[in-house]
Amino acid sequence: QSVLTQPPSASGTPGQRVTISCSGSSSNIGSHYVYWYQQVPGTAPKLLIYRDDQRPSGVPDRFSGSKSGTSASLAISGLRSEDEADYYCAAWDDSLSESVFGPGTKVTVL
Amino acid sequence: EVQLVQSGAEVKKPGESLRIFCKASGYSFTSDRISWVRQMPGKGLEWMGRIDPIDSSTDYSPSFQGHVTISADRSTSTAYLQWSSLKASDTGIYYCARQWARDGYYPHFDYWGQGALVTVSS
Repeated sequence: QSVLTQPPSASGTPGQRVTISCSGSSSNIGSHYVYWYQQVPGTAPKLLIYRDDQRPSGVPDRFSGSKSGTSASLAISGLRSEDEADYYCAAWDDSLSESVFGPGTKVTVL
Repeated sequence: EVQLVQSGAEVKKPGESLRIFCKASGYSFTSDRISWVRQMPGKGLEWMGRIDPIDSSTDYSPSFQGHVTISADRSTSTAYLQWSSLKASDTGIYYCARQWARDGYYPHFDYWGQGALVTVSS
């Protein structure tokens, strides 16, 4: 049972915008940066967003992150078939004294 | 080019020991930490612990403390994850990941190994 909560699934048609939420508390998201990872089935996770809303070099600007209070969101605009993957949020948690991942959200492109 | 290359798949019996490796290249091995992340079959990501190769200091998730050992060899730029007595519940994919030093203890994992599948079955 993760201290971060994500919806188990999200979907959209090509070109649509999909938003994934990540809900936490004052001991994690409310006090620390949020990170987002994409994992295409059968491959290693890939860093998509760091420090709440920063994109690493090479990540398309279709991916954007935001945070407000104890919740964060990842938005994917202009959805493409290659975006079909599992998406995980992550943050440091003061109460647990460790990095925690959300349970993941499976994005399906219809 | 930064690369983390992990050892291959392993099949072990309960009670056996195992050490898997993660060989880093393309950057200064002592400039960033290495973390290990577990993914059980069909499940999500779990942070296990990390090592700072500069002094081999380690931190573990309470969930894994005492069951695994993380180590590193600076001379070969290699990090290790080892078990002294495997359980069936250790079955899963184990990833190493470089943890960007400038974000300290935060889960900023910018490069990942390809993963090592460990199967523990009698």
